[in-house]
Amino acid sequence: DAGITQSPRHKVTETGTPVTLRCHQTENHRYMYWYRQDPGHGLRLIHYSYGVKDTDKGEVSDGYSVSRSKTEDFLLTLESATSSQTSVYFCAIAGTDTTDTQYFGPGTRLTVL
Amino acid sequence: AQSVAQPEDQVNVAEGNPLTVKCTYSVSGNPYLFWYVQYPNRGLQFLLKYITGDNLVKGSYGFEAEFNKSQTSFHLKKPSALVSDSALYFCAVRAALPRQLTFGSGTQLTVLP
Repeated sequence: DAGITQSPRHKVTETGTPVTLRCHQTENHRYMYWYRQDPGHGLRLIHYSYGVKDTDKGEVSDGYSVSRSKTEDFLLTLESATSSQTSVYFCAIAGTDTTDTQYFGPGTRLTVL
Repeated sequence: AQSVAQPEDQVNVAEGNPLTVKCTYSVSGNPYLFWYVQYPNRGLQFLLKYITGDNLVKGSYGFEAEFNKSQTSFHLKKPSALVSDSALYFCAVRAALPRQLTFGSGTQLTVLP
């Protein structure tokens, strides 16, 4: 999976609790992305980062925040989890060249009860 | 806004027969087009991409895709399907800038022995 790890791989939590997902890369790539995958929707972009401390919103950013304090780590936080955030979350990385491909991590399956 | 349509949720094909998974797109400017494959409980694996040049792009595992600008299509093809090709396939598009990918909803390919 192109030097990308995600933790945890599975998590069950309750509505209203905070949750943080971690994406770690060993490729030293500049760009990092968080997506969620839901049946019938494909993958939808939540947030992305174009450098340390540089982040921006994606298509479905409401209820999520991100942080990137180091090149290798990109954190996704659900401040107060809701059942609608039950999903599979994927991290992706890409290099600096505009033609670079995004490579995906193994995913985190999150269930919010 | 950019978008991708994968008109078939499910494609069934017999082993040894040619397969086609359809994709049409909409984007401003020249498109960057990608195909990914997802096996059960795994992340997305990159298959191939079109950036510029030859309209027929060859990728991993014997897959190829044909870019057709007039029809705004990027169909995935393989001359002879294998049972192991059974998986979920995603088409994605983006412009040169910004770098956000937009995914189709996915096509489940089943190759029957």
